[in-house]
Amino acid sequence: ELKVEQNPLFLSMQEGKNYTIYCNYSTTSDRLYWYRQDPGKSLESLFVLLSNGAVKQEGRLMASLDTKARLSTLHITAAVHDLSATYFCAVDILHQFYFGTGTSLTVIP
Amino acid sequence: DTEVTQTPKHLVMGMTNKKSLKCEQHMGHRAMYWYKQKAKKPPELMFVYSYEKLSINESVPSRFSPECPNSSLLNLHLHALQPEDSALYLCASSEGGSSYEQYFGPGTRLTVT
Repeated sequence: ELKVEQNPLFLSMQEGKNYTIYCNYSTTSDRLYWYRQDPGKSLESLFVLLSNGAVKQEGRLMASLDTKARLSTLHITAAVHDLSATYFCAVDILHQFYFGTGTSLTVIP
Repeated sequence: DTEVTQTPKHLVMGMTNKKSLKCEQHMGHRAMYWYKQKAKKPPELMFVYSYEKLSINESVPSRFSPECPNSSLLNLHLHALQPEDSALYLCASSEGGSSYEQYFGPGTRLTVT
């Protein structure tokens, strides 16, 4: 059974701090995606990672993919309140997306 | 146009009603998806259409019936739903090719009474 696990599930952090969200998956895949979801809203695409070693950065967020370890990370630098949301990773297996459990991030002023 | 649209935004229906959800994209994408998302949970894949043909049905009850009339349009027909079917229903589309990145619509918030 495919498992896509994120940790932590809940994250409360102060503005200005750094933190990393982890996404582990249990089967081979070299495609992984990160999405953001605000309460009551749809999913917004953040990063598309298509190969081992891929690293993408946008603003205060940076995502990486290690396909050998079956691990992706989403690093937050100098958090601001606007980053408060739920973050999902999604693993692409034969073009079907399997979503991680989600990480609910709250940034405290 | 880089948008996936969904109608209606909100829907309240009784267990004996028949209703339909609509999804539309004009990005030339050839794959379209229906997901169900319960509160505080990740989206769960329901159906996948590829080149207007149903390619994946994730063991969804028959009270949900998908339809893809053309490459830009995807419908989800609902009949005899149960209260536990209340959820956010998300449509997505993808180009195919190298990335298969999925673009999500705003969703339909469904409440079954």
